[in-house]
Amino acid sequence: DAGITQSPRYKITETGRQVTLMCHQTWSHSYMFWYRQDLGHGLRLIYYSAAADITDKGEVPDGYVVSRSKTENFPLTLESATRSQTSVYFCASSEHWTELSYEQYFGPGTRLTVT
Amino acid sequence: AQSVSQHNHHVILSEAASLELGCNYSYGGTVNLFWYVQYPGQHLQLLLKYFSGDPLVKGIKGFEAEFIKSKFSFNLRKPSVQWSDTAEYFCAVCPTSGTYKYIFGTGTRLKVLA
Repeated sequence: DAGITQSPRYKITETGRQVTLMCHQTWSHSYMFWYRQDLGHGLRLIYYSAAADITDKGEVPDGYVVSRSKTENFPLTLESATRSQTSVYFCASSEHWTELSYEQYFGPGTRLTVT
Repeated sequence: AQSVSQHNHHVILSEAASLELGCNYSYGGTVNLFWYVQYPGQHLQLLLKYFSGDPLVKGIKGFEAEFIKSKFSFNLRKPSVQWSDTAEYFCAVCPTSGTYKYIFGTGTRLKVLA
């Protein structure tokens, strides 16, 4: 089915390990985003990408790395996981940045626990 | 600094009650405004959006929101809630120029009692 998918849906990892969260969309949307959702903070933007090979930092980028070699994929890597990175991570995409297309489409989320 | 405030963190209502969720934002320029909803176990999805024109916008499932520019507010309303409206609601703003980064509020968890 077309849409935006994330994998894994649940992940438990240990402090210091590298973890990669995958995001894949089938719409060929130009823009993609990574958010983390924490109690009391709502959704906070980690990184976003305007197109393949174009990425930029959001509000809370420290400790995360992204890449976008293909339009449809936007992986998020935690280089050395810390307990403070325990969160629910959402990927989103948007067709293009015009007035009619500001709507973001969200994936189902990845619940990450760092022990 | 840009911010979005949702004052009600948890709301409990009985079916058929009226709903109003507050949203205020802080930003000096022009913004687009959104309400997203996250039903239990589901993706976030768009409820409604305001870009320009009529400040009263209607969305899906009987929801509406009013943009009051002088108050920097974009409150969500529904005249009569249903049990199926139980969800978490997020207000978001996005500047119309610059880097186009969304700013989300902290969310409001609504529970509707049958």
